[in-house]
Amino acid sequence: QVQLVQSGAEVKKPGASVKVSCQASGYTFTGYYMHWVRQAPGQGLEWMGWINPNSGVTTCAQNFQDWVTLTRDTSISTAYMELRRLRSDDTAAYYCARARGSSNLDTFAIWGQGTMVTVSS
Amino acid sequence: QSALTQPASVSGSPGQSVTLSCTGTSSDVGGYDFVSWYQQHPGKVPKLMIYEFIKRPSGVSNRFSGSKSGNTASLTISGLQAEDEADYYCSSYTSSSTWVFGGGTKLTVL
Repeated sequence: QVQLVQSGAEVKKPGASVKVSCQASGYTFTGYYMHWVRQAPGQGLEWMGWINPNSGVTTCAQNFQDWVTLTRDTSISTAYMELRRLRSDDTAAYYCARARGSSNLDTFAIWGQGTMVTVSS
Repeated sequence: QSALTQPASVSGSPGQSVTLSCTGTSSDVGGYDFVSWYQQHPGKVPKLMIYEFIKRPSGVSNRFSGSKSGNTASLTISGLQAEDEADYYCSSYTSSSTWVFGGGTKLTVL
């Protein structure tokens, strides 16, 4: 079945970087856009960006454009989200979410289990 | 891109119907047919309930229905059940080729 498995929880110091992985299985990885969404403790969902795994083209929300990098490795069906210059308010669960269809107009239908990133000195 | 506007909380009694709203602008909700609704129980991953305003994924109860009027999308839950108590988020595609979420609504079943 379609599955997204994310990397484990991370604890980072302010100013550091973190790279979260999302390994896909059960479908053709390059056929569906992958989105990244975060949720701070007790807060709502925040869309970060998407990557077209086929072309590698990305689009990020304005809030994240200067400090988030989305990449993929098609040989291992894995998407990555790297967040730089971490601050304490980046403490959140980070989710990858596969689009329902093959377009960036398709909503996020399949979600990874989430990766908790804690930023603390 | 500003977040879509959702009421912070809504409540209803078992068996009743409740409607959750999601207000945006002509650059998102009002301009595209790509609005979705998600249900999230505490500590769980969000679950897609409605997409493209009115469509239900396979396996989602037909007690959940979506609609749109102008810049506002709505999610109606009929025959309210205890298991429906959760946070609900709307999301919309935007004119910037990005997506945006609402702030979320906490649904309480009395």
